[in-house]
Amino acid sequence: SAVISQKPSRDICQRGTSLTIQCQVDSQVTMMFWYRQQPGQSLTLIATANQGSEATYESGFVIDKFPISRPNLTFSTLTVSNMSPEDSSIYLCSASSDSRGTEAFFGQGTRLTVV
Amino acid sequence: AQSVSQHNHHVILSEAASLELGCNYSYGGTVNLFWYVQYPGQHLQLLLKYFSGDPLVKGIKGFEAEFIKSKFSFNLRKPSVQWSDTAEYFCAVGPGGFKTIFGAGTRLFVKA
Repeated sequence: SAVISQKPSRDICQRGTSLTIQCQVDSQVTMMFWYRQQPGQSLTLIATANQGSEATYESGFVIDKFPISRPNLTFSTLTVSNMSPEDSSIYLCSASSDSRGTEAFFGQGTRLTVV
Repeated sequence: AQSVSQHNHHVILSEAASLELGCNYSYGGTVNLFWYVQYPGQHLQLLLKYFSGDPLVKGIKGFEAEFIKSKFSFNLRKPSVQWSDTAEYFCAVGPGGFKTIFGAGTRLFVKA
């Protein structure tokens, strides 16, 4: 299993600003992902964080809005840029190995409120 | 594209009642299937998973799920719920060890 720590756990931000969320995994993992969970909704995958290369974004998400870094196997960041109230959400980091038979592990999430 | 459908968005049960939450997925290849639970104020936890073998999978806290390949279903069951089972339950599908796609979730409220 993997233990995932996210920072900050919550924040209140002004519109137009940016917030960077950090994700640290306690063991080397192959795959890291970022999800968004809007109020009352399910988890939506934003992107797959690739080590040493650009992230792979899902439909509806773009690098300019959600730049992602992954400098090594255990750490990734997600930035929410030029925030608006619609970005208020919980952002979750997830990690897994690429072996068949393994599940994804999740951090506790970052609760973001944009005012 | 892969998708996951959960049939019930809200379920209210009394303690000791039986629970069945429906889940259907669309994906043509070999799948990994999961049920996650999110208790109020806590992070997602894995309840159980299916990769291969016996289609009846037993998880933690008395939960089980049955994979029916012909119906593309992976329904979650528990014979007798407790108040502490109040939570949101997510069905998810993932091909191999790659990205996991979640259903919309089912909010379960168990009355004491």
